[in-house]
Amino acid sequence: ILNVEQSPQSLHVQEGDSTNFTCSFPSSNFYALHWYRWETAKSPEALFVMTLNGDEKKKGRISATLNTKEGYSYLYIKGSQPEDSATYLCAFADSYNTDKLIFGTGTRLQVFP
Amino acid sequence: DGGITQSPKYLFRKEGQNVTLSCEQNLNHDAMYWYRQDPGQGLRLIYYSQIVNDFQKGDIAEGYSVSREKKESFPLTVTSAQKNPTAFYLCASSMLAGYNEQFFGPGTRLTVL
Repeated sequence: ILNVEQSPQSLHVQEGDSTNFTCSFPSSNFYALHWYRWETAKSPEALFVMTLNGDEKKKGRISATLNTKEGYSYLYIKGSQPEDSATYLCAFADSYNTDKLIFGTGTRLQVFP
Repeated sequence: DGGITQSPKYLFRKEGQNVTLSCEQNLNHDAMYWYRQDPGQGLRLIYYSQIVNDFQKGDIAEGYSVSREKKESFPLTVTSAQKNPTAFYLCASSMLAGYNEQFFGPGTRLTVL
């Protein structure tokens, strides 16, 4: 059974702090790594889909890096804002089942004003 | 507006009854998915479908059934054989292949009394 782990489980930061979380996934048969943001009472929304080793993506204050050889991805948020409060999910797809995503349990971020 | 709708938002059923959860999308996506979320766990895949009249079991298909008679619709039936049906159920859709982000519906919270 493929395992995707996220750390930390939860995080509390002050407005303006920068923060980062980790997603660990199997280092073999990599196909894609997805990041989603899930705000309370809303649907999960895609942030990034990462496909190549060394791939880096950026959207405003949020960026992500990918290391497929060692099986991890980092999500960074620069200058956290209260509206960044959400659960951040990563999901892994391997090359044998490219349409099946294996989700981690998520990192719950709370940003205090 | 394009998107995914799930109904109802909350559903209560007596133990031993089958119940069907609705999922409709107007994004013209080929692939559709059903996930289950339980406290402290990541999203787990129940069933997915890549094309009309075809679907595959996910990791926790036992006690569930689906149909895909139309591209837009992918209903999930929770049968009486599902031992622990109380959970939050999310439907998603995407263009084919794991490079494409998944779009999620608002979810249905099922409580079996």
